[in-house]
Amino acid sequence: DAGVTQSPTHLIKTRGQQVTLRCSPKSGHDTVSWYQQALGQGPQFIFQYYEEEERQRGNFPDRFSGHQFPNYSSELNVNALLLGDSALYLCASSHRRGTLYGANVLTFGAGSRLTVL
Amino acid sequence: AQSVTQLGSHVSVSEGALVLLRCNYSSSVPPYLFWYVQYPNQGLQLLLKYTSAATLVKGINGFEAEFKKSETSFHLTKPSAHMSDAAEYFCAVTHSWGSSASKIIFGSGTRLSIRP
Repeated sequence: DAGVTQSPTHLIKTRGQQVTLRCSPKSGHDTVSWYQQALGQGPQFIFQYYEEEERQRGNFPDRFSGHQFPNYSSELNVNALLLGDSALYLCASSHRRGTLYGANVLTFGAGSRLTVL
Repeated sequence: AQSVTQLGSHVSVSEGALVLLRCNYSSSVPPYLFWYVQYPNQGLQLLLKYTSAATLVKGINGFEAEFKKSETSFHLTKPSAHMSDAAEYFCAVTHSWGSSASKIIFGSGTRLSIRP
């Protein structure tokens, strides 16, 4: 049973460019959350998608946007890249019903490491 | 608003010694609490979770944590450290409220080193 898969694993961009990161959730999961993890810090919540809509958002500017497809996979887009966007971007999936039953457990992918030069 | 504070960004113990990683939470509603572990160049893996059942929660790899409401704490322990326990550990909090999926908030992490 495949877990959460993310692509690409590593990428290098320059300031001002745009990047798209992709995520396929664990089989059976319908909710995707994206996190940014800067070096030496904990993951910071960017946003969450289910039923193809953004449901919650953290304190990130509009340069960060996303999308969820009918097959539950998701993309994270970042426009006008800044040096400070360099980080590990983690995708995590879960099942929305998990919240109703008190078990909102995230399954994480290995991440996409973005370096902005 | 919810938050977690992990006391100590780096903890070093000898192999076979007790591991204690500290986490305090802040939440205006009954919290759900988690500990995740991250090995180098990997994503996060769930160690254990507290969801308002038993206050002492047992997880994988011999770890356990105790929910103490009076102290707003959820410290992670392991009786005897192994070299393979060296990793970054994150405490996290969320809540179950209504039918919407709640976001999970992570602490800043504690790096655990094991001395031979």
